Amino acid sequence: AQKVTQAQTEISVVEKEDVTLDCVYETRDTTYYLFWYKQPPSGELVFLIRRNSFDEQNEISGRYSWNFQKSTSSFNFTITASQVVDSAVYFCADSNYQLIWGAGTKLIIKP
Amino acid sequence: SQTIHQWPATLVQPVGSPLSLECTVEGTSNPNLYWYRQAAGRGLQLLFYSVGIGQISSEVPQNLSASRPQDRQFILSSKKLLLSDSGFYLCAWSEGTTDTQYFGPGTRLTVL
Repeated sequence: AQKVTQAQTEISVVEKEDVTLDCVYETRDTTYYLFWYKQPPSGELVFLIRRNSFDEQNEISGRYSWNFQKSTSSFNFTITASQVVDSAVYFCADSNYQLIWGAGTKLIIKP
Repeated sequence: SQTIHQWPATLVQPVGSPLSLECTVEGTSNPNLYWYRQAAGRGLQLLFYSVGIGQISSEVPQNLSASRPQDRQFILSSKKLLLSDSGFYLCAWSEGTTDTQYFGPGTRLTVL
């Protein structure tokens, strides 16, 4: 079965540091989609990004950037100059039929 | 724009009591609808999904059931709650199977 691995259970950094969250997927399909979601302490899941398997260009949105590497089946997420408000659990997911979710990485940004 | 509503926001129920959680979506037609459960400090577990009225697929066998009586309404039910049913229940919608899923605010259920 397909699997998404987020090996980092918890990461703690000091505010303003850069931090990268890892995501490794195992899809065997030609066409697939990768996602990142943020779950702040309030609990609601917030969509961050969706990439399809044919678009390997890195994406930048403000302090957020995503590095898609097909060769290593990775879709890593970097936050530059982290802020306390970035503290949350971040989930990576892979989709071809249904979303396959990673276990999540809890990110703690200390002031 | 589309919005998704869930209620109640929190619920405390005794073991053996029934359950009904409701989710409604506005601003779209014929969405795919999903129910997820998240245990404390854990990842997301897909419980049910629906691609249309009356069409429900169950991912995990359990004492929960789901129904879709209307196009944009998705209901999660149980006849008798178990302690293990405690968790955070999230409803989501998407336009298609591989499209982005958008989540509601969730319901925190505590079974005592």
